[in-house]
Amino acid sequence: AQSVTQLGSHVSVSEGALVLLRCNYSSSVPPYLFWYVQYPNQGLQLLLKYTSAATLVKGINGFEAEFKKSETSFHLTKPSAHMSDAAEYFCAVGPGNNQGGKLIFGQGTELSVKP
Amino acid sequence: DADVTQTPRNRITKTGKRIMLECSQTKGHDRMYWYRQDPGLGLQLIYYSFDVKDINKGEISDGYSVSRQAQAKFSLSLESAIPNQTALYFCATSARYGYTFGSGTRLTVV
Repeated sequence: AQSVTQLGSHVSVSEGALVLLRCNYSSSVPPYLFWYVQYPNQGLQLLLKYTSAATLVKGINGFEAEFKKSETSFHLTKPSAHMSDAAEYFCAVGPGNNQGGKLIFGQGTELSVKP
Repeated sequence: DADVTQTPRNRITKTGKRIMLECSQTKGHDRMYWYRQDPGLGLQLIYYSFDVKDINKGEISDGYSVSRQAQAKFSLSLESAIPNQTALYFCATSARYGYTFGSGTRLTVV
């Protein structure tokens, strides 16, 4: 079985500050991990994914995440927040079997960026 | 054309009505999924299908049914809609470790 917990349903940062969105997972099989972003009234956009290659994954818009097996974590970071980063972010876990499979999502974290 | 197309984009329906949400894809993927999104709950899996003859219940399948008419088509039905089925519904496909999501259907049950 797999599950995801996102710590903090709402995170607020100032423009230019570090963004840190936390994600912890549970998985009985080697996982693939994903971060998606959803802008208001839009669908899901893939930010980045971990598929058992490099543990530090770089994504779009300056985001990156590090897979830490010992901590069962996959936290999302960005060094300097921009106003355009305001959105909802979802962490998801799937089976790491190269065949795809059902994705299990966290509850989401809404990011606000203050001027 | 989008890789995963959902119709309709928006729908308002009355309690007790039957409604079908449709999903079609041009990715050629075997695996398809239906999720619903509610504020504060993220996306929850309703049903998934790994090929035309394989249909599986997800976390929240009660009140829903699906039909996989072809590799490219996966429909979600609400046999008798109720207000707490008001949500944003997403269809998705996958192959290897790539997932593609549709733009969503916003369903309101009044």
